[in-house]
Parts: sequence; C-alpha cells; structure tokens
Amino acid sequence: KNQVEQSPQSLIILEGKNCTLQCNYTVSPFSNLRWYKQDTGRGPVSLTIMTFSENTKSNGRYTATLDADTKQSSLHITASQLSDSASYICVVRGNPYSGAGSYQLTFGKGTKLSVIP
Amino acid sequence: KAGVTQTPRYLIKTRGQQVTLSCSPISGHRSVSWYQQTPGQGLQFLFEYFSETQRNKGNFPGRFSGRQFSNSRSEMNVSTLELGDSALYLCASSLRDVNTEAFFGQGTRLTVV
Repeated sequence: KNQVEQSPQSLIILEGKNCTLQCNYTVSPFSNLRWYKQDTGRGPVSLTIMTFSENTKSNGRYTATLDADTKQSSLHITASQLSDSASYICVVRGNPYSGAGSYQLTFGKGTKLSVIP
Repeated sequence: KAGVTQTPRYLIKTRGQQVTLSCSPISGHRSVSWYQQTPGQGLQFLFEYFSETQRNKGNFPGRFSGRQFSNSRSEMNVSTLELGDSALYLCASSLRDVNTEAFFGQGTRLTVV
C-alpha cells in the first residue's frame, strides 16, 4: 500500500531558528514528490516539486532534498519567520506509465509548525 | 491571472441531502482533481479529470461523483450525505501532465448536521 509518513507531527521553534521536516514514502513506482504549505483554513500552496532525478530544490528560505534510493525527503526552513507557522504537507505522485502505476497523489498527514517570537 | 475558484466557500447540509460543489480551474488548465481533508485523515484523493474524462479515482464510495465540462470547470456531487462527510473539500488544477504544478483553491467547508 502506498504511504507517506511525516515527522514530527508538530514542532515549535523560535523565530529566526532553522528546522527540518521529514517525509518517508513507500509509493512505487514514483513520479515526483511535492512539498506544500497550508495555512489554517486555506488551500495548500506549492513550495517545491522534485522528480526522481533531482536531489535538492530551493525556493527562497525553503530547501527540499530527495533520496529516491531510501525513499526519503526533507524540507529545511532557514531563518524561520512568524509567517512560516502552518502545516507542511509532503505529497508523492505515482508513475502511471510503469506497470500498474497511478496518477494518484498520496498525501502525508503534515507537520504542524509553530514559530513563536 | 485568476487562481482556482471554488464555490461556495461554506455549506451546511443535513443528513440524507445531496450537495454539489463547483471548481473553476486556472485558465488554460485542463486537469482538475478533488480532495477531501479532515483532521483525522488529512488530505485524501477523490478523483481527477482531464479533458472531461475521469482519469483516476480514489477509494471513496459511489455517493461521491464528479464531472468536468468542456470549459474545464468541474463539479463534485455527494449524495445521501452522512455526518462523516463533513470536511474541507479542495480542488486543484494543473496544466497537463503528472509533473506539472498543481494549484489549489481555497476549498469548500461542508458541515453535515
């Protein structure tokens, strides 16, 4: 069964500090992995999208890494700001062109990040 | 460029009723997918449409259905509502294929009483 596990479930950090969120997945075959930021009551907003051949991708203070061999990804947030308080969701898309692969997106349950002054 | 628009934003229905939610994708986007988000289960995939055809379907009962029109706008219908259907329903649009970006709308908050 395709699964995406995120850790930690929640995290509290001081403004200005760095943090790293983890994502492990079992989706196979794999097409791409995405990180989204979701503010409370709003739709998710894309931060990064990586295919299996990409190891790292940055978007401002957000840097995502991917190890397709170990099926692990991380999202590193540098110099956190109060506005970074949100849920961060890891999403993996299967590969529909490989055997029984599917377009389907599999979502992690997210990490709830709180940045405090 | 307008984003993904979902209507209505909030909805209250009683058990047994049916509901239709609407999603207008970003202009030019041909793929629309729907998701259910609950505190306990997180985001779960409902179905995906591309050029008026359902391309993929998640693991939800047949009470959940959808369609896509020729202008790419999509509707989702839930019949015989149950209390457990209370959730945030999100729609996302993307340009074309599996590696393109998906843009989410703000969602429709459905409450079943």
